[in-house]
Amino acid sequence: QQKVQQSPESLTVSEGAMASLNCTFSDGTSDNFRWYRQHSGKGLEVLVSIFSDGEKEEGRFTAHLNRASLHVSLHIREPQPSDSAVYLCAMSNTGNYKYVFGAGTRLKVIA
Amino acid sequence: GALVYQYPRRTICKSGTSMRMECQAVGFQATSVAWYRQSPQKTFELIALSTVNSAIKYEQNFTQEKFPISHPNLSFSSMTVLNAYLEDRGLYLCGARTGRDTQYFGPGTRLLVL
Repeated sequence: QQKVQQSPESLTVSEGAMASLNCTFSDGTSDNFRWYRQHSGKGLEVLVSIFSDGEKEEGRFTAHLNRASLHVSLHIREPQPSDSAVYLCAMSNTGNYKYVFGAGTRLKVIA
Repeated sequence: GALVYQYPRRTICKSGTSMRMECQAVGFQATSVAWYRQSPQKTFELIALSTVNSAIKYEQNFTQEKFPISHPNLSFSSMTVLNAYLEDRGLYLCGARTGRDTQYFGPGTRLLVL
């Protein structure tokens, strides 16, 4: 079964500085990758979906996927205090419909 | 647009009792519905996946006897937590999917067990 490791566990950045989060996965069978955000006590908010190697941008959020190196990252441009949340990467296989989640990175953005 | 509603959003039940939660897809046909649980300090674990015209598949450590699921049509699913205990507390998320890559998550049902 696919295993997902997220790093770092927690990250503090200043408002306006770039925040970078990482996920590595155990095998290259997944073809559907997503980054979600979860504010305290809330559900999941989808940020970016990416299906092929390269880069996908959604507003201030950019995902980079490199399946050969089993790595997907999320970069947050000009983070704001309201971006403070837990960020989760998740992946699935077409036809499997099952998402495997990472443990999350707790991001804190300080003014 | 496509939306997924879950209700209740938050519920409290006594230890040993059961609690039913519902998931409603609006604006699309949910050919598959996945139920996840996020226990305190943990990430999301898949409980089971229900796909139209297929048997419901439960993940290891989750059983139909404990988490019976109903998926009667393409817009609705429900799951019951039977005989809930402290370890069942957490956020239960419904993910409804249509097509290859379009999955929508509901806001979750937060279960507290006393």
